[in-house]
Amino acid sequence: DQQVKQNSPSLSVQEGRISILNCDYTNSMFDYFLWYKKYPAEGPTFLISISSIKDKNEDGRFTVFLNKSAKHLSLHIVPSQPGDSAVYFCAAINTDKLIFGTGTRLQVFP
Amino acid sequence: DAGVIQSPRHEVTEMGQEVTLRCKPISGHNSLFWYRQTMMRGLELLIYFNNNVPIDDSGMPEDRFSAKMPNASFSTLKIQPSEPRDSAVYFCASSPSRGVYNEQFFGPGTRLTVL
Repeated sequence: DQQVKQNSPSLSVQEGRISILNCDYTNSMFDYFLWYKKYPAEGPTFLISISSIKDKNEDGRFTVFLNKSAKHLSLHIVPSQPGDSAVYFCAAINTDKLIFGTGTRLQVFP
Repeated sequence: DAGVIQSPRHEVTEMGQEVTLRCKPISGHNSLFWYRQTMMRGLELLIYFNNNVPIDDSGMPEDRFSAKMPNASFSTLKIQPSEPRDSAVYFCASSPSRGVYNEQFFGPGTRLTVL
């Protein structure tokens, strides 16, 4: 039973355009969400997070939006750059654990 | 700081063999996590330690899996006997203090293939 779902396994975006990665969750008790980025042959690295008391958090080119009523969050990358090509994992905190999604592979092409 | 160190980076073994994965967390970090990544299930938490004590091992799939943390600078994840369905990438992560609200720093992972 996947509590955090990333239904798009891959996404391809042109350099300079916006990348939108989506994530859905099933447990309304989740109160903190994170995005991790993973390059090949490396471990995931923390990118950005959002608390459930907010609906938006911005850090440079990266913005995370949270829609609690829809149990949905999204990561926007503007403008997208070739170096953003990686796998992005959405994660939610459940008590003392991080629950990860299956990841979305983003490819940014010139 | 060298970051979280995992060894080996790749392991190929035959079904039934014992496999031991190793992890050295970042110095000074009190929490250590073991994850498994598969295509179907993404990143799953297997077990985590705080101050060398196992806090939650509910993610360990079977008795074939065991993990230890004999001291603050070393942890092992053992699979005995290994099976083909154990093939995955195993990550170790550490965090400066207890609680997942603190950022977790991941190692590069061990890619395990069980034939």
